[in-house]
Amino acid sequence: DTAVSQTPKYLVTQMGNDKSIKCEQNLGHDTMYWYKQDSKKFLKIMFSYNNKELIINETVPNRFSPKSPDKAHLNLHINSLELGDSAVYFCASSPSGTSASEQFFGPGTRLTVL
Amino acid sequence: DQQVKQNSPSLSVQEGRISILNCDYTNSMFDYFLWYKKYPAEGPTFLISISSIKDKNEDGRFTVFLNKSAKHLSLHIVPSQPGDSAVYFCAASPGGYQKVTFGTGTKLQVIP
Repeated sequence: DTAVSQTPKYLVTQMGNDKSIKCEQNLGHDTMYWYKQDSKKFLKIMFSYNNKELIINETVPNRFSPKSPDKAHLNLHINSLELGDSAVYFCASSPSGTSASEQFFGPGTRLTVL
Repeated sequence: DQQVKQNSPSLSVQEGRISILNCDYTNSMFDYFLWYKKYPAEGPTFLISISSIKDKNEDGRFTVFLNKSAKHLSLHIVPSQPGDSAVYFCAASPGGYQKVTFGTGTKLQVIP
């Protein structure tokens, strides 16, 4: 059983479209995250939710909106996609929100904006 | 502003020898340091961590060394195995609920 799963694995879309990436974890963790890995391989945190409450919100365009319907899910919705949004997006979860806590990552979603 | 730096983008080591991966940081508030390993088309997986109150942490073939005065940490893999070939990310955090900052990774190739 996959611990942290993301769908879709690949996403190719046109500029200006709206798209969503879904994430689910079956580990019973309290905290979930979204990271972006850009072409320079930087892995940067975007958002963190602890028990469905937003605790980290980095400087991310407000076109990106996370939604946590329950503790096991954290979806990422992106409006008006731009070329610069092309990247690999990773979802992760951890037992607690403390940064010393090991994070478990999903396999990533490669988003390509044309 | 790159607060966690891995200056070697790649490293090749013979099987059975020691692999040493280096990481430097600039933020003196960092209190926890972690190493993650990443295979192609997979997400990173946690490897080992160390808190600032220690200077060494060991787990099997993996040892992390922390030099706070130099703001430097290193990951030693002994002996290196072909299955260790992956990208290794160094990460750091001030602790609490604050974010984890990742380096850009070092690609390790272990040659059989």
